[in-house]
Amino acid sequence: DAGVTQSPTHLIKTRGQQVTLRCSPISGHKSVSWYQQVLGQGPQFIFQYYEKEERGRGNFPDRFSARQFPNYSSELNVNALLLGDSALYLCASSQRTGGYEQYFGPGTRLTVT
Amino acid sequence: QKEVEQNSGPLSVPEGAIASLNCTYSDRGSQSFFWYRQYSGKSPELIMSIYSNGDKEDGRFTAQLNKASQYVSLLIRDSQPSDSATYLCAGTLGGTSYGKLTFGQGTILTVHP
Repeated sequence: DAGVTQSPTHLIKTRGQQVTLRCSPISGHKSVSWYQQVLGQGPQFIFQYYEKEERGRGNFPDRFSARQFPNYSSELNVNALLLGDSALYLCASSQRTGGYEQYFGPGTRLTVT
Repeated sequence: QKEVEQNSGPLSVPEGAIASLNCTYSDRGSQSFFWYRQYSGKSPELIMSIYSNGDKEDGRFTAQLNKASQYVSLLIRDSQPSDSATYLCAGTLGGTSYGKLTFGQGTILTVHP
């Protein structure tokens, strides 16, 4: 079975630009969560979506937004990029919301110059 | 106090030894706990989940949870050089019913031949 997939793998953007990251969960999983990981730290929670509805939001500015589609795939959008947005963006898939196991995709490495 | 805190590393053990990784959490309402392994440049990989007090064994890995003392640990028996990675402790802390994962900062483990 395919695991969580994310695209693109790497991305280089300029300050002020906008970026869209994509994620496809494991087949049968209905919940997608997004995390940001900067070097040397654990992942930080950004959003969780379940059945196309936002179930939770972390402490990130409104420049960050996301959505989930009927096929349970998800997009994370970041507007007005800052240098500090450079990080590994991880998508995690779980069967449903709640304390279920979350499986991470390979991530998208975003570099803002 | 950080919500999830891991013992400071890095941790270095010889091949064949037992590696012990520890994690404490601040919220008594926390329900579910997970250990992830992250190789350099890769995304976190789920290796253990634990939901109730006591021990849970899976191959060379044993997770221990003590909710009264608010700590979680991971033991790796017969450590191998391939176990060298950063180990991340994560929990779904109380008050977040949707299952947001809160991570510790990670412990770097090196297993030397």
